[in-house]
Amino acid sequence: DSGVTQTPKHLITATGQRVTLRCSPRSGDLSVYWYQQSLDQGLQFLIHYYNGEERAKGNILERFSAQQFPDLHSELNLSSLELGDSALYFCASSGQGLYGYTFGSGTRLTVV
Amino acid sequence: DQQVKQNSPSLSVQEGRISILNCDYTNSMFDYFLWYKKYPAEGPTFLISISSIKDKNEDGRFTVFLNKSAKHLSLHIVPSQPGDSAVYFCAALYSGAGSYQLTFGKGTKLSVIP
Repeated sequence: DSGVTQTPKHLITATGQRVTLRCSPRSGDLSVYWYQQSLDQGLQFLIHYYNGEERAKGNILERFSAQQFPDLHSELNLSSLELGDSALYFCASSGQGLYGYTFGSGTRLTVV
Repeated sequence: DQQVKQNSPSLSVQEGRISILNCDYTNSMFDYFLWYKKYPAEGPTFLISISSIKDKNEDGRFTVFLNKSAKHLSLHIVPSQPGDSAVYFCAALYSGAGSYQLTFGKGTKLSVIP
C-alpha cells in the first residue's frame, strides 16, 4: 500500500457521460499530481495542485477539470466523455519538493 | 513531440545477467531524472534517480548512468532476477518550473527468464 488511495479502481461509462475520480494523498502531503496513461503510452501529466491551489497544467483537455479540497483530497472531473478518454488515470502525492513522490494504483476508465 | 524516449518497447534477459534499459531526452532544461517500475494493476514505484550534476548513481543492484552531452541515460540491473520483470519508465523533470511534473517515456517491458 503506497498510502495514496484512488477510487474507484474501475469505471465503465458511456460516451457523453461525466465521471469523477478521487484521490486521497499520503498523510501530510500537500501536492497532488494527476496523470493519464492511454494504451501504449507513457504517463502524461495533466495537472498539479498544491495545498488547494492549481500549480501547473499539462495537456489537459477543457472537458477535464480538477480541484483539491481543504482536507487535501483531490477530484478529477471528466465530462462529455469520448471513447478516446479510455485510459488509466493515476494520481501521485508528494511532500516538500520531490520528497516521497508516490503514485496510487490508478483508476481504469473505460468509455463504451 | 516526445521529450523523453524509450526506444525499446521490450527486453528479455536471462536471470543473473545484466539488464540495460535506455532512455533519451531532448529537453536540455531537464535537470533531474527518475526510473519507475510498474507491475500490472499497480501504480509506478520509484526505483532510482539522478541529478544532472552527477553522471552515476548506484543503489544496490540498480545503477543509473547519465550522459548529458548525449542526452542519454541508462539503467543497469545486475544481476537480473525474475522479480525484476515489469515495465520500466524513464521520467524527467525541470526542477525550476515551480512544479515537479514528470515527463515520462513510453516504457520498456523487461522480462527476466529463469
